[in-house]
Amino acid sequence: EDQVTQSPEALRLQEGESSSLNCSYTVSGLRGLFWYRQDPGKGPEFLFTLYSAGEEKEKERLKATLTKKESFLHITAPKPEDSATYLCAVRGNQGGKLIFGQGTELSVKP
Amino acid sequence: DVKVTQSSRYLVKRTGEKVFLECVQDMDHENMFWYRQDPGLGLRLIYFSYDVKMKEKGDIPEGYSVSREKKERFSLILESASTNQTSMYLCAFSSGNTGELFFGEGSRLTVL
Repeated sequence: EDQVTQSPEALRLQEGESSSLNCSYTVSGLRGLFWYRQDPGKGPEFLFTLYSAGEEKEKERLKATLTKKESFLHITAPKPEDSATYLCAVRGNQGGKLIFGQGTELSVKP
Repeated sequence: DVKVTQSSRYLVKRTGEKVFLECVQDMDHENMFWYRQDPGLGLRLIYFSYDVKMKEKGDIPEGYSVSREKKERFSLILESASTNQTSMYLCAFSSGNTGELFFGEGSRLTVL
């Protein structure tokens, strides 16, 4: 069964304190790993798609990396506006649906 | 930017009422989805559709139905709302075969 586990559940950082969020997955035939950002009371906003181990993608202070078992979302010198819940999802061969993790709630204090 | 518009951001309904949640996309995308999101349970797929008049059950279809009469509109229907259907409902579309989902703003439904 396809499964996604995100850790930690919550992360508190000081402004400028770099860190990483983890997304561990098991999937039959990875067809894509997706990262989303979700602000309170709003729909998830698409950030990145990664398709194969070794692939990396960057956007401003965010960098996503992928191995055969997990993905990391690295946040460099975060700012308070980076505070949000970050969701990870995978798409496998089983019907092509996205399977979402529970999310990591990130809080960045000034 | 492509947009997904959900008709109501906040709704309050009574147990037993029929509820319609509407979702409209402004491009010609075929694949549309309805999810619900609950604390501790994450995003769960209710129904999806790959074309007009076509629908497929997701992981939690019980108590819900959908309608897709036109390509741009995908409606979620609660035939008889119950308190355990209080949730955030999210509509999404996917573009081509890449799999990325693009979500609407969400509809927060409270059933009393």
